[in-house]
Formats: sequence, structure tokens, C-alpha cells
Amino acid sequence: KNEVEQSPQNLTAQEGEFITINCSYSVGISALHWLQQHPGGGIVSLFMLSSGKKKHGRLIATINIQEKHSSLHITASHPRDSAVYICARLYGNKLVFGAGTILRVKS
Amino acid sequence: DVKVTQSSRYLVKRTGEKVFLECVQDMDHENMFWYRQDPGLGLRLIYFSYDVKMKEKGDIPEGYSVSREKKERFSLILESASTNQTSMYLCASTKGNTEAFFGQGTRLTVV
Repeated sequence: KNEVEQSPQNLTAQEGEFITINCSYSVGISALHWLQQHPGGGIVSLFMLSSGKKKHGRLIATINIQEKHSSLHITASHPRDSAVYICARLYGNKLVFGAGTILRVKS
Repeated sequence: DVKVTQSSRYLVKRTGEKVFLECVQDMDHENMFWYRQDPGLGLRLIYFSYDVKMKEKGDIPEGYSVSREKKERFSLILESASTNQTSMYLCASTKGNTEAFFGQGTRLTVV
């Protein structure tokens, strides 16, 4: 079992929909990252969280340390949000990635 | 404002060539990592380094070596490139257990 589990693996949404991607981890963290990768593109860091909630534009990331769970929300989704979203757990020297969620937003 | 820089975004090499992928960070981080990303397999750790001249094998070190002669630079070396090393390679760095920073990735094609 991977230390970092993401769900869903694939997600198709209509433009304008509210989207949630989930990330669960089995051991403690010092920080959790959300990353974005567009098709054929590089990896971009969206958020780093150690507690609470962060917002950037239409993207919101939350984390519940007690439940070992984080969510990435996209409000008013747009086709340009189509990408792979990856969460990564950092603890000590170890950085572990989830398998990624492939998001497709249709117009 | 770029903090972790990978030397190339796209690279095409021939089978059998020796390939160097370079990663440089400007944040004085101790820890640096090399991952490869493949469809259906996600990001897998190849090697990491927690100090100059120190290195540890990750989950898939076979066919790779690394070099860390200076704190800011971590090189991934493919001694004799093979087609099954065609992949996306990602460098990351951390200082202790604080925030991680990521390079943009290098898409390597071995023909």
C-alpha cells in the first residue's frame, strides 16, 4: 500500500463544476504539497500545507492533520484546469508522491 | 524566482550514450532527490542525497548513478542510456523537514 493515496484516479467534469481531489496518507507529515502537471508539461507546485487551508485564485487546498487527509478544490472549473494533480507528503528527509489524479474538464 | 533548475526541459539521446541530467538549487538545501515519472507508475525515487558527497539509493537505482560534489548541484548519470530509460525526470530539494521545491522536469527520450 502506497503511503500516499489519491482519489479519484480519473475525473471528468463539465466546465463550471466544483471539483474535489482527495489525498490520504498513512504516517505523519511535516508538509503536504499539491502539484499540477499539464499534458506534456513540467510540474508546477500549487500549494504547500502543514495545517489549515490555503487559497490561490480558484484553487483551495485544505488539510486535516488528525485525519491524515488533504483535499484540493477547484471552483468554477475550466478546460485549462485539465491536468494531472499530484499530492506529495514530506516527512523528515522523505518525500513520497501519490499516483496522481487525471482531471479533464469539458467545455 | 526560480529555485530549483534542471538543465534541460527536453533531451534526446542515443542508446549507449552517457547522459548527465543536472539539477541546481539556490536555497542552501541539504536534501536533493531524483525521481522518474512513468504512465501508471507515478513518481518513483531513483536516488537522493542528504549532504555533499553523500547519496542513498531509492526504489529504482539500477542503471543510474549520481554525483553531489557541491551542495547546490545534484547530477543524475545514465552510464549507458537505454530505451527503457525514456521518461520524465524530476529533481526536488528540501531543507530538513520543511517545504520542498521542485524542478520543472526533464523529458528524456532515448532512441
